[in-house]
Amino acid sequence: QSALTQPRSVSGSPGQSVTISCTGTSSDVGGYNYVSWYQQHPGKAPKLMIYDVNKRPSGVPDRFSGSKSGNTASLTISGLQAEDEADYYCCSYAGSYLYVFGTGTKVTVL
Amino acid sequence: QVQLVQSGAEVKKPGASVKVSCKASGYTFTSYDINWVRQASGQGLEWMGWMNPNSGNTGYAQKFQGRVTMTRNTSISTAYMELSRLRSEDTAVYYCVYYYYAMDVWGQGTTVTVSS
Repeated sequence: QSALTQPRSVSGSPGQSVTISCTGTSSDVGGYNYVSWYQQHPGKAPKLMIYDVNKRPSGVPDRFSGSKSGNTASLTISGLQAEDEADYYCCSYAGSYLYVFGTGTKVTVL
Repeated sequence: QVQLVQSGAEVKKPGASVKVSCKASGYTFTSYDINWVRQASGQGLEWMGWMNPNSGNTGYAQKFQGRVTMTRNTSISTAYMELSRLRSEDTAVYYCVYYYYAMDVWGQGTTVTVSS
């Protein structure tokens, strides 16, 4: 089970859009529609932002959206805001009741 | 609302074991899986395994097979994660996580420090 690959960092100005990629294999991201995304602020526990590739839990702004193509999933933050500055992690089901996280991406709001 | 409250910080010597508890409230404990995830300082999230509190069935990441044991006490709605043969690389914050849609609700984390 290798970690899913994410860019180390992405940045954007307030109001812009940023997209974070999450690349796996056909055994995880590509094989199942069970990709989720988590936001983590420093010193805090992670927070679920997207599940099942593109579904938002109640309370998560619609500025956050998810998608998937082949072995790569993506999280897009539209209308970037200062409070979106955080670390973001993807997670995928990998079969046999196993899960794997991504390497994490730091989002900086310029 | 769903809440997970974990036990306090631990300091252990290499080779020892640690058992972290996770008390659930706000829902029927036996109805939803509990996952465990850890995070070393400045590092990413690492999935360790899951447990079905109803059946006691578990599944562990290959990396932790043979060293981790996840159990529960349904009478007090508490899940446990025990990690044995600790080494310095196991120093991390350990989280229990309630799984509904995905890893929906996280405990506050338990810091485990392994040091001689």
